[in-house]
Amino acid sequence: RKEVEQDPGPFNVPEGATVAFNCTYSNSASQSFFWYRQDCRKEPKLLMSVYSSGNEDGRFTAQLNRASQYISLLIRDSKLSDSATYLCVVPRSGGSYIPTFGRGTSLIVHP
Amino acid sequence: SAVISQKPSRDICQRGTSLTIQCQVDSQVTMMFWYRQQPGQSLTLIATANQGSEATYESGFVIDKFPISRPNLTFSTLTVSNMSPEDSSIYLCSAGAGSYEQYFGPGTRLTVT
Repeated sequence: RKEVEQDPGPFNVPEGATVAFNCTYSNSASQSFFWYRQDCRKEPKLLMSVYSSGNEDGRFTAQLNRASQYISLLIRDSKLSDSATYLCVVPRSGGSYIPTFGRGTSLIVHP
Repeated sequence: SAVISQKPSRDICQRGTSLTIQCQVDSQVTMMFWYRQQPGQSLTLIATANQGSEATYESGFVIDKFPISRPNLTFSTLTVSNMSPEDSSIYLCSAGAGSYEQYFGPGTRLTVT
């Protein structure tokens, strides 16, 4: 299994829809996980961190499933402005503070 | 959080030349990294910039091609040496304060002709 794997998509959803992305990871010792958002031609920006079972911030919910080694990002009531690439980040094996980025999942929200 | 600036924002360079990219952070940070991102691709880590010592390079990246400096806790440079068209990419600087949360600069869009 790769260190981090994501379905590249694109996920094409209408406004108001609920959409979920999964990210699988190989490092079973990982304790923290992150979702970043990258808009077209912009730099990645931290969206959410997940340190235990999950995290919720408004319409966004991140969940962790340690047994199956995946994290998910759920977006409720999608907005046009949610269109972006969502990058899953997992610490590299070995205990250094070096993150491993997934290739990203593209989300397109249409009217 | 940290605010990161990069210079230049973009450049068009001739093959065989070198370009130095500067990264400035508005606060002292423990970790600084340099990434490359091809269009439509994910981030590829080039190296970790270590303050006061040689950078730690990832597999496939060497110091002669990508020399990095980090003279203090707020500043780093990446040089892309002896450029070829394959070096055309977006180069991103990021910084973190000892956790996995990173803050990115706006990137430098490099085109090599």
